[in-house]
Amino acid sequence: AQSVTQLGSHVSVSEGALVLLRCNYSSSVPPYLFWYVQYPNQGLQLLLKYTTGATLVKGINGFEAEFKKSETSFHLTKPSAHMSDAAEYFCAVSGPPGAGGTSYGKLTFGQGTILTVHP
Amino acid sequence: DTEVTQTPKHLVMGMTNKKSLKCEQHMGHRAMYWYKQKAKKPPELMFVYSYEKLSINESVPSRFSPECPNSSLLNLHLHALQPEDSALYLCASSQKLAHEQFFGPGTRLTVL
Repeated sequence: AQSVTQLGSHVSVSEGALVLLRCNYSSSVPPYLFWYVQYPNQGLQLLLKYTTGATLVKGINGFEAEFKKSETSFHLTKPSAHMSDAAEYFCAVSGPPGAGGTSYGKLTFGQGTILTVHP
Repeated sequence: DTEVTQTPKHLVMGMTNKKSLKCEQHMGHRAMYWYKQKAKKPPELMFVYSYEKLSINESVPSRFSPECPNSSLLNLHLHALQPEDSALYLCASSQKLAHEQFFGPGTRLTVL
């Protein structure tokens, strides 16, 4: 079984400030982890992913995330927020290819975090 | 072509209507997905196709009927829907099952 918890349904930062969105996961197999962003009335856009290898992954728009197995975390950060970063962010987990099990092929999402950026 | 397209963008239908949602990708992906997203909620998986075969059905009511005519196309046939079925319907595709998924812009469905 797999699950995702995003701490904080709403996060508010000032333009230029650090963005930190928290994500903790639970998975019975080595996880694949993803962050998606969704702007109002649009689909989801992949920001970054962790599969294997380097635990610090860089994504689009200056975002990065670090996979910490010991903490079962995959927090998303950006050094300096921009007004255009205001959106909803979803953390998601899936089992890797070949893992099998009832969760195979399923992407499990967290509840989402709405990021507001103030001028 | 690196995108997933969905038509129509908006759809309003009565409870007795029959309509279809369409999804298309030309990335050579062999897994395709339908999700339902209500306001302020994460997407909920409905169906998964892998190599044009239905792989996962998340106990979706039979008034939703998926179809995968070929590796590039995914349809969702709608019949006798209820007002609570109003939502954003998202299509996604991935190279294979469990690979990263790419989402389309969605169809905003309103059932009157």
